[in-house]
Amino acid sequence: EVQLVESGGGLVKPGGSLRLSCVASGFIFNSYGINWVRQAPGKGLEWVSSISVSGRYIYYADSVKGRFTISRDDAKNSVYLEMNSLRAEDTAVYYCAREYDSSGTSYWGQGTLVTVSS
Amino acid sequence: SYELTQPPSVSVSPGQTARITCSADALPKQYAYWYRQKPGQAPVVVMKKDSERPSGIPERFSGSSSGTTVTLTISGVQAEDEADYYCQSADSSGTYWVFGGGTKLTVL
Repeated sequence: EVQLVESGGGLVKPGGSLRLSCVASGFIFNSYGINWVRQAPGKGLEWVSSISVSGRYIYYADSVKGRFTISRDDAKNSVYLEMNSLRAEDTAVYYCAREYDSSGTSYWGQGTLVTVSS
Repeated sequence: SYELTQPPSVSVSPGQTARITCSADALPKQYAYWYRQKPGQAPVVVMKKDSERPSGIPERFSGSSSGTTVTLTISGVQAEDEADYYCQSADSSGTYWVFGGGTKLTVL
């Protein structure tokens, strides 16, 4: 069974930092890229960042560029999102999602809540 | 920035047909996916690669594509279909994901 499990969310003050983790199982992790997607309370889905196989290609949404860093550790089947200089507008549930395979199948975790507030 | 355009809301009575559209310039080049999200839950894909229904999704769900618009059609809508629906695709080069703003489907 494929699983992605996010962790690391919590309450942080504006300007603070947080590191999210996404641990995957049930598929050949080093063969897939991973995306982070977030959803602010009452709002829609927003793509945040992606990392390709072996970490060769990394992309960020303009809203987080320069503040967030994505990385992966294939030995631990994990992807990380280092979030710095956090703002109130970063408050959201953060999901990690596997890229689509050739059949068009992707998998998502259940999400972890990040709250940025003083 | 690249955007997918969806209607904010669609309302139908039980048993009727709901159609949710999603428009963007790059849709002819990139597949579209449809996600259903119920309150407090993670999104679940209900249509992949424009018109392929994943296993476990009822046959009343179908997808189509025409030019720069993709459409999710739910025939014989049931109360349990009430949810937010998001289309998702990628920019023309396939570099990053992009989501539509979401459509709230209300079953009257």
